[in-house]
Amino acid sequence: GAVVSQHPSRVICKSGTSVKIECRSLDFQATTMFWYRQFPKQSLMLMATSNEGSKATYEQGVEKDKFLINHASLTLSTLTVTSAHPEDSSFYICSATMAGIGDYGYTFGSGTRLTVV
Amino acid sequence: AQKVTQAQTEISVVEKEDVTLDCVYETRDTTYYLFWYKQPPSGELVFLIRRNSFDEQNEISGRYSWNFQKSTSSFNFTITASQVVDSAVYFCALSGYNTDKLIFGTGTRLQVFP
Repeated sequence: GAVVSQHPSRVICKSGTSVKIECRSLDFQATTMFWYRQFPKQSLMLMATSNEGSKATYEQGVEKDKFLINHASLTLSTLTVTSAHPEDSSFYICSATMAGIGDYGYTFGSGTRLTVV
Repeated sequence: AQKVTQAQTEISVVEKEDVTLDCVYETRDTTYYLFWYKQPPSGELVFLIRRNSFDEQNEISGRYSWNFQKSTSSFNFTITASQVVDSAVYFCALSGYNTDKLIFGTGTRLQVFP
């Protein structure tokens, strides 16, 4: 079945630094990738949708200059949290889909737990 | 606007009990897709089921069963003879035909005690 690899699984960084999270579709070409954020004991909130080769579409309230998304190829999307602060500490999950979710559904990465100290 | 409501925040049962997790959705799309995911403490999302809006047949997979009723906009999930390993957060989600966005409910935390 479709597999999405997300790295790193855990990262601790100092306040003010930037962190990059990678999301790779291993055995399929993902036309669209999504980035979600999940605070403890809360639901998954969609941050942005990215299509290969084009700019990401951010959800309302998500700072695009702080959460940089690059979808350079059909198998890789990256999320960079710039100038991270403790309030950015969260669980970030990516998912990927091929065109037409009715046919292919969504495949999720295993998530990245970011702690900013 | 699309919305998914999971009114049950937490449910606790004893092993071997049956438990039903409720999911109510709102959408203006005539074609849409409903999903259930399981999130164990490790955090990854485990896909359980996808159902399109034209298929109202109930589905059974082992101890899991799903009841889809368009008339009440509900897509409930029942675990029969629950086990400790079923302890997790369960999310119901919705996507419209013309959008790739997957909207999640707030989740139901299920605790199964031995």
